[in-house]
Amino acid sequence: GDSVTQMEGPVTLSEEAFLTINCTYTATGYPSLFWYVQYPGEGLQLLLKATKADDKGSNKGFEATYRKETTSFHLEKGSVQVSDSAVYFCALNAGAQKLVFGQGTRLTINP
Amino acid sequence: GAGVSQSPSNKVTEKGKDVELRCDPISGHTALYWYRQRLGQGLEFLIYFQGNSAPDKSGLPSDRFSAERTGESVSTLTIQRTQQEDSAVYLCASSQKTSGGPTGQFFGPGTRLTVL
Repeated sequence: GDSVTQMEGPVTLSEEAFLTINCTYTATGYPSLFWYVQYPGEGLQLLLKATKADDKGSNKGFEATYRKETTSFHLEKGSVQVSDSAVYFCALNAGAQKLVFGQGTRLTINP
Repeated sequence: GAGVSQSPSNKVTEKGKDVELRCDPISGHTALYWYRQRLGQGLEFLIYFQGNSAPDKSGLPSDRFSAERTGESVSTLTIQRTQQEDSAVYLCASSQKTSGGPTGQFFGPGTRLTVL
């Protein structure tokens, strides 16, 4: 069945560091791919998405490129801030209506 | 309101009691989803509504769980004879299909259920 595997956390970085959170997927067909973020005490929010191969989703300085050849959708940011501390979830939607989520990666940014 | 709303935000109940959780989707969104998030884990899909019908109930963990949707709007998730393993945050999401493909799902703040 469809599945998403995320980089295990927790991840701790210093402010202004470069961030990569790895995400790979297994799916039949051609899924849409998403990153969701859950800030402390808040609900889940869509961060960015990509609907076809080679698409790049971007938002708030975060980027992720849909790589069909490596079945990956890694999340990157060039310079993280303390306010980026949150749990990040990679997810896919492969024609079936439900989203399939990775287990989440907790990110902490220290000043 | 502009977003998905859920009530109650917190619910504490005793084992064996029934609970009802409510979700109000974004106006005009035809699709509605329920997920469960256990502590420290990812989200598990429970059920999906398109309009008032539920073409995919595959994630409901047992027959103690049921959900309905009326008026292509509000949905309720009912858990009968609650067990301690039902303790989790229950999240509702809605989405609107576009001609360009499925958009992302927009999530409510969740209901934190604690079964004592």
